[in-house]
Amino acid sequence: EIVLTQSPATLSLSPGERATLSCRASQSVSSYLAWYQQKPGQAPRLLIYDASYRATGIPARFSGSGSGTDFTLTIYSLEPEDFAVYYCQQRSNWPLTFGGGSKVEI
Amino acid sequence: EVQLVESGGGLVQPGGSLRLSCAASGFTFSSYTMNWVRQAPGKGLEWVSYISSSGSTIYYADSVKGRFTISRDNAKNSLDLQMNSLRDEDTAVYYCARDKGVVSNYYYGMDVWGQGTTVTVS
Repeated sequence: EIVLTQSPATLSLSPGERATLSCRASQSVSSYLAWYQQKPGQAPRLLIYDASYRATGIPARFSGSGSGTDFTLTIYSLEPEDFAVYYCQQRSNWPLTFGGGSKVEI
Repeated sequence: EVQLVESGGGLVQPGGSLRLSCAASGFTFSSYTMNWVRQAPGKGLEWVSYISSSGSTIYYADSVKGRFTISRDNAKNSLDLQMNSLRDEDTAVYYCARDKGVVSNYYYGMDVWGQGTTVTVS
């Protein structure tokens, strides 16, 4: 099973600041990695697919990068609605796995 | 509007059974693979099961293998999860999620999610 380790667990920032979230895989997942945003009481929302492509309707301030085992989600200039939990997920091997999540808090 | 709506959750005793359903609308259901993903209270996301567009390929997480059965009816645009021998640790919100999978070496992610249905085993 591929383990995805997300860091930091919690990131405390202010609106307008940049958030940099990390996702490290226990073995290569190539580019088969997605990022999701989840707010309390809501379903997850796809942000980034194939490591670096924004999903439909996702603002340009969200950027994904990386390949192999190291991935980064960057949120340039945080908006109030961006404070949420972010998960990475791999589709390289079965079982599918998610990272433990990173919470971006005000 | 592209939509997934789960139903069937509820309170069940340990060892009991429950059948979840997911109704799809607004897209060609038979063209997409589907997943069930769950989230225990206060915890992260856990993938549960996958079914290919035709239903011919199925995968399960080890935690549910042998107890849960995923199925789909493309004629009715529906996805099901039969859950047997339920345990306390199966308590969670269960989401169905659309997954285009890997196409031309791109992984498109789970791009449509339902609102979730709550299963409580107690």
